[in-house]
Amino acid sequence: DTGVSQNPRHKITKRGQNVTFRCDPISEHNRLYWYRQTLGQGPEFLTYFQNEAQLEKSRLLSDRFSAERPKGSFSTLEIQRTEQGDSAMYLCASSLEGGLASEAFFGQGTRLTVV
Amino acid sequence: QKEVEQDPGPLSVPEGAIVSLNCTYSNSAFQYFMWYRQYSRKGPELLMYTYSSGNKEDGRFTAQVDKSSKYISLFIRDSQPSDSATYLCAMSASGGSNYKLTFGKGTLLTVNP
Repeated sequence: DTGVSQNPRHKITKRGQNVTFRCDPISEHNRLYWYRQTLGQGPEFLTYFQNEAQLEKSRLLSDRFSAERPKGSFSTLEIQRTEQGDSAMYLCASSLEGGLASEAFFGQGTRLTVV
Repeated sequence: QKEVEQDPGPLSVPEGAIVSLNCTYSNSAFQYFMWYRQYSRKGPELLMYTYSSGNKEDGRFTAQVDKSSKYISLFIRDSQPSDSATYLCAMSASGGSNYKLTFGKGTLLTVNP
């Protein structure tokens, strides 16, 4: 386990379809974060888990988005009824409990293209 | 006004040049200041981290924070073509929200051989 793993790396989907992404954090990390990065912008915070509990959701996370971390290990991010505006890089990061934001490690991201 | 402002560039310099990258911010609660490097189609990787005001040096990289001016900088000395990437500044508050990063837009840097 050398880092945060995200799958798939790239997903192309038709507008209106549902998509699901997976994130496997560094094994001993309790905290897991999702960020979204659109072209030409920095990453924006979406949501945060401590173990299996989702402790914060950004207002960017509309009701079409749902994130889970059922056993406190891997996490999934689902987008229902995708729209072209959902096209972005979805980044996952993880850190130790009590760790600072600076101590989070990012995965390589899942690039979503909605056509 | 965004909480963190960063000139997106692009910035193009010759190999060996000193590069200066900057961000300004508006949220006085920010206490932790980070610089990330992001290669094309990759995730961000942490370069430098500074708490509160002051300077920090790591090899060819120097990070500066001036909280009174709400201004942070990253200097790269003897820049190399391998430094070509997007540089993102990021910040977080202390206390209960210390897990959440607020990023700038990123500055695209090209170092020409």
